[in-house]
Amino acid sequence: NAGVTQTPKFQVLKTGQSMTLQCAQDMNHNSMYWYRQDPGMGLRLIYYSASEGTTDKGEVPNGYNVSRLNKREFSLRLESAAPSQTSVYFCASERGAETQYFGPGTRLLVL
Amino acid sequence: SQQGEEDPQALSIQEGENATMNCSYKTSINNLQWYRQNSGRGLVHLILIRSNEREKHSGRLRVTLDTSKKSSSLLITASRAADTASYFCATSNTGKLIFGQGTTLQVKP
Repeated sequence: NAGVTQTPKFQVLKTGQSMTLQCAQDMNHNSMYWYRQDPGMGLRLIYYSASEGTTDKGEVPNGYNVSRLNKREFSLRLESAAPSQTSVYFCASERGAETQYFGPGTRLLVL
Repeated sequence: SQQGEEDPQALSIQEGENATMNCSYKTSINNLQWYRQNSGRGLVHLILIRSNEREKHSGRLRVTLDTSKKSSSLLITASRAADTASYFCATSNTGKLIFGQGTTLQVKP
């Protein structure tokens, strides 16, 4: 099992460009999450999906959209990137409303 | 907003020593979890303690939970250089996890 995979691993964007971060899990988990991690800030929840077909906002959703394409895949889209969105983005999936399993992260730099 | 606050922010010890890090939180919880993050990697789940538990062990890890003080501690005994990482507490109430800012642990060989 690959667990949680994320693509790309690293991306540089110019202000105003758009991109989609991809996440997939092969553990048959219902819940999936997107976080951003900034220095000294821990992880902050952007969006989550409790099950296929549902998505909800987290703590910092502004500037992002998500799609739960199917049970395996949960994508995060930046429609018009801003320098404030420079961060490391982590996707996670959850077993039984307890343990979360994290992907390796996507490092995004917005110039 | 951050639920958990961790103390200390950074800790440096010698191999073989014990490392203790603390987490305080603000609201009631269903469980509290600890995660480890190696540099440049994703988080890895270490241990979960439920609100009705006071202490839990897993290998060299010992976690305590004091719900009256809204605090938890993570003890790593006989530390190794491979324990060098950042450690995060995360609280769960509504099903979502809220993470603290983390403690960076350096274990010197």
